[in-house]
Amino acid sequence: DVKVTQSSRYLVKRTGEKVFLECVQDMDHENMFWYRQDPGLGLRLIYFSYDVKMKEKGDIPEGYSVSREKKERFSLILESASTNQTSMYLCASSFLREEEQYFGPGTRLTVT
Amino acid sequence: ILNVEQSPQSLHVQEGDSTNFTCSFPSSNFYALHWYRWETAKSPEALFVMTLNGDEKKKGRISATLNTKEGYSYLYIKGSQPEDSATYLCALFTFQKLVFGTGTRLLVSP
Repeated sequence: DVKVTQSSRYLVKRTGEKVFLECVQDMDHENMFWYRQDPGLGLRLIYFSYDVKMKEKGDIPEGYSVSREKKERFSLILESASTNQTSMYLCASSFLREEEQYFGPGTRLTVT
Repeated sequence: ILNVEQSPQSLHVQEGDSTNFTCSFPSSNFYALHWYRWETAKSPEALFVMTLNGDEKKKGRISATLNTKEGYSYLYIKGSQPEDSATYLCALFTFQKLVFGTGTRLLVSP
């Protein structure tokens, strides 16, 4: 069974703080993804990575950066959190990009 | 901007009813169509990945069809059960990434 874990289920941060969201997968998947989910909007891709140290911007990368130093771990970084980054963040992984993605449980981030 | 549309937005049915949802997408640049089920407090789980025009997939009481020429996919649930209550997401794989619809929220009452 593929397992994707995220470091926190709930997180509250203050405006201007640096925030790290961690994601770990245990199935040796090449591809990892970060999405955010907001009411009335579909899952939107922030960044993805197809290999260690490789990253590509998704549809809404502004205000975020990512890090992939090891194959199993993909981190999302909010350099200076803002209230409009309050959202549910989901991490996912897949072996090939077009194959089904396996999702983590999500992190609900509130920025006050 | 690529648009993947799902309808209806939400649906409330009684246990035993059969139901279906629609996913519409631009037919150009099609590569694959994904369906996911997202239950409250859980992770989204893949139901189907469909690539061929006319493709039909089935998993238990849930099935899906795909028409790539006209740009739509249907998801059917036969004899809905309360445990089918979830948000059903479709996503188009195109330009090397998934583009998600906003989902159909299904509530099945006993």
